[in-house]
Amino acid sequence: TQLLEQSPQFLSIQEGENLTVYCNSSSVFSSLQWYRQEPGEGPVLLVTVVTGGEVKKLKRLTFQFGDARKDSSLHITAAQPGDTGLYLCAGFMEYGNKLVFGAGTILRVKS
Amino acid sequence: GAGVSQTPSNKVTEKGKYVELRCDPISGHTALYWYRQSLGQGPEFLIYFQGTGAADDSGLPNDRFFAVRPEGSVSTLKIQRTERGDSAVYLCASSLTPDLGGETQYFGPGTRLLVL
Repeated sequence: TQLLEQSPQFLSIQEGENLTVYCNSSSVFSSLQWYRQEPGEGPVLLVTVVTGGEVKKLKRLTFQFGDARKDSSLHITAAQPGDTGLYLCAGFMEYGNKLVFGAGTILRVKS
Repeated sequence: GAGVSQTPSNKVTEKGKYVELRCDPISGHTALYWYRQSLGQGPEFLIYFQGTGAADDSGLPNDRFFAVRPEGSVSTLKIQRTERGDSAVYLCASSLTPDLGGETQYFGPGTRLLVL
């Protein structure tokens, strides 16, 4: 059982559509991160959210940390083919120093 | 290069053999992490070093796995008596200081290990 559950596992959409990826847990995290990973490469950090209820925007990407610090979402507006990749959420548990990853969401944006 | 590098990029071995995977972190980064990523899964923590010492090795699956960082820079992950279930991508990451919820971890491209 994954500590961080991501949904959906796979998403295939047309260019220009909006989408949301979810990351849920029953545990509290001191912070949560979102990464993007392309084939043959390591994950690249997109954002870190620390405060419950926090919202961060990175161009067309909006990240939200749940009020209880147990969940997070990633929303992409007007998706582009260049957004294609594996999106991973990862978090530090409240009293730990290990990064725990979800299984990831594979996003494919078709032109 | 400026990033984390890992060698080899691919390794094919036979069951029962010994393998070593190398990680060169970003210069000046004191913290180094090893993760294992199986197909269709996110990375799974194995071990992290602060300087030369293993600060947390609780993610190592069993005593066939061992990692060293003798001079506080390059690290080697060693797997003895490899099993088919060890097949995965082994990722290394480094950060300027231990990533206690804030410092960014920079990942290498990984070593793809296939045990036949």
